[in-house]
Amino acid sequence: EVQLVESGGGLAQPGGSLRLSCAASGFTFSRCAMTWVRQAPGKGLEWVSTVSTSGGSTYYADSVKGRFTISRDNSKNTLYLLMNSLRAEDTAVYYCAKDARDGYNFDYWGQGTLVTVSS
Amino acid sequence: QSALTQPASVSGSPGQSITISCTGTSSDVGGYNYVSWYQQHPGKAPKLMIYDVTNRPSGVSNRFSGSKSGNTASLTISGLQAEDEADYYCSSYRSKTLYVFGTGTKVTVL
Repeated sequence: EVQLVESGGGLAQPGGSLRLSCAASGFTFSRCAMTWVRQAPGKGLEWVSTVSTSGGSTYYADSVKGRFTISRDNSKNTLYLLMNSLRAEDTAVYYCAKDARDGYNFDYWGQGTLVTVSS
Repeated sequence: QSALTQPASVSGSPGQSITISCTGTSSDVGGYNYVSWYQQHPGKAPKLMIYDVTNRPSGVSNRFSGSKSGNTASLTISGLQAEDEADYYCSSYRSKTLYVFGTGTKVTVL
């Protein structure tokens, strides 16, 4: 059974930093691209970032480019999102999602972790 | 990076069929057969319902179907049931960006 478990969310001050983690199990982690998607309170889904299987290629939404860094440790089956220079508008539930092996879609999702940016 | 356009809400009675549209451009929906649809119940994670425009993952009811014409993709739910009441989001591959989501549609079963 595929499982994705996010952690690391919480309260951060504007301008501060947080690092999210996503522990993966039930599939061959190193063979799948991985993605972070966020959802602000009462709002829709927003794609944040994707990392390739090896970690060598990364992609970011304009809204987070230059502030967030996605990475992965295939030896630990774990995905990360380092969030710097946090803003109030980064407040959201952050979901970890597994990219399908072929095609462009997300076939499994974690339950999400809430990040609140406030002073 | 503008989102794909979906109607804010769609409603129907049990047993009826409803269709949700998802409008993009030739750089996303119209240019690639990589449209997917997600169902999200309140407080829950999204669930993949349709991928690559028309394909259903194993375990998803055949009451859900997808299609595309030009820059607009559609999700049809046939034989509407109470459990289908949820938010639905489309997503597409987008050139130069990678992914884009739709604005979301709230489905209400009357």
